Amino acid sequence: KQEVTQIPAALSVPEGENLVLNCSFTDSAIYNLQWFRQDPGKGLTSLLLIQSSQREQTSGRLNASLDKSSGRSTLYIAASQPGDSATYLCAVKGQAGTALIFGKGTTLSVSS
Amino acid sequence: GAVVSQHPSRVICKSGTSVKIECRSLDFQATTMFWYRQFPKQSLMLMATSNEGSKATYEQGVEKDKFLINHASLTLSTLTVTSAHPEDSSFYICSALGQGDTEAFFGQGTRLTVV
Repeated sequence: KQEVTQIPAALSVPEGENLVLNCSFTDSAIYNLQWFRQDPGKGLTSLLLIQSSQREQTSGRLNASLDKSSGRSTLYIAASQPGDSATYLCAVKGQAGTALIFGKGTTLSVSS
Repeated sequence: GAVVSQHPSRVICKSGTSVKIECRSLDFQATTMFWYRQFPKQSLMLMATSNEGSKATYEQGVEKDKFLINHASLTLSTLTVTSAHPEDSSFYICSALGQGDTEAFFGQGTRLTVV
């Protein structure tokens, strides 16, 4: 059974710092991996989707990498801003047509 | 990206009553929809998978008679929480897959409070 772990559970940084969020999964046979952002009491905002054949994806200040063989993904946030404060969720899909399996998330707080 | 609309966004109901949550794919046909629940400060836990025209497949530990899922069309799935109790209070969120399954699209979520 696939398990997704995210470290750290919480992170506080001053504005402007570059930071890395980590995600690991136990079964390396994945279809794709997605990173989401969730604001308190709100739904999910998809940030980046990495297909199993890809190594990384970039969107603005965000860069996500995928190393299937080691069961790891990282989300890199450059020049963090207070508006980046949220919970970041990593989720993996085992096969096409199946549900995403989520980690518990990393709650990020960026202070001005 | 594709749009998934979930309604209502918030609902408060009395213990013992039933509540229906709707999940609609607005601009694509969703062959498969997923229902998740999220407790405070916890991750999203998959409750069930529904395919249009078929019975839903429930995850272990999820009571199918309590959480009724109907996926009658390619654009609508509903989750009915029957005989709700305070412990059913949670954040419920749906996800829809189109043909090709390139990305999962999520509804805005429903905050259910049972009093």
